[in-house]
Amino acid sequence: EIVLTQSPGTLSLSPGERATLSCRASQSVSSSYLAWYQQKPGQAPRLLIYGASSRATGIPDRFSGSGSGTDFTLTISRLEPEDFAVYYCQQYGSTSYTFGQGTKLEIK
Amino acid sequence: EVQLVESGGVVVQPGGSLRLSCAVSGFTFDDYAMHWVRQAPGKGLEWVSLITWDGGSTYYADSVKGRFTISRDNSKNSLYLQMNSLRAEDTALYYCAKAHYDSGGYIPHWGQGTLVTVSS
Repeated sequence: EIVLTQSPGTLSLSPGERATLSCRASQSVSSSYLAWYQQKPGQAPRLLIYGASSRATGIPDRFSGSGSGTDFTLTISRLEPEDFAVYYCQQYGSTSYTFGQGTKLEIK
Repeated sequence: EVQLVESGGVVVQPGGSLRLSCAVSGFTFDDYAMHWVRQAPGKGLEWVSLITWDGGSTYYADSVKGRFTISRDNSKNSLYLQMNSLRAEDTALYYCAKAHYDSGGYIPHWGQGTLVTVSS
């Protein structure tokens, strides 16, 4: 099973700042089959990024994903108030579709 | 519009059984694999199980293997999760989720979840 480790656990930033979230895999993720999701309190997760760097439908271009192999990054270029939430990475390159433990992005 | 509506979540005693259902609409159900994902109260997401478009292949997290069974009825546009030998650690909100393609992939669409509580 591929274990995904996200860092930091909590990130405190102000609106307008740049956020950089990390997801590290215990072994190489096949074909960059790595997705990112955003979850707000009381809501289901929302797909942001798939294939490590492709934005899902309707996702603003301030969200970008990068990386390959074992190291992946989600970047939010300029934080908007609605971006403060919990973010999860997920690998889907093996038949055990593991999630990272999440990064909470909070307002400083 | 894709809709996924879970049902069947209740309070059940440890060792008990439960069957969750998910009714789908807004897409051609038998073109897509389906996932179950759960979230314990205040915790992160945990992938539970996947079934391919035709039910021909199923996959499970180690934590539920041998206790849970995923199935689907394409004629009824419905997904199921049979949960046996339930434990306190199975307490969670269970999401039904549509996969990206017929044999798996990431999750573009999620239901709102149904709450399972395992407690005596």
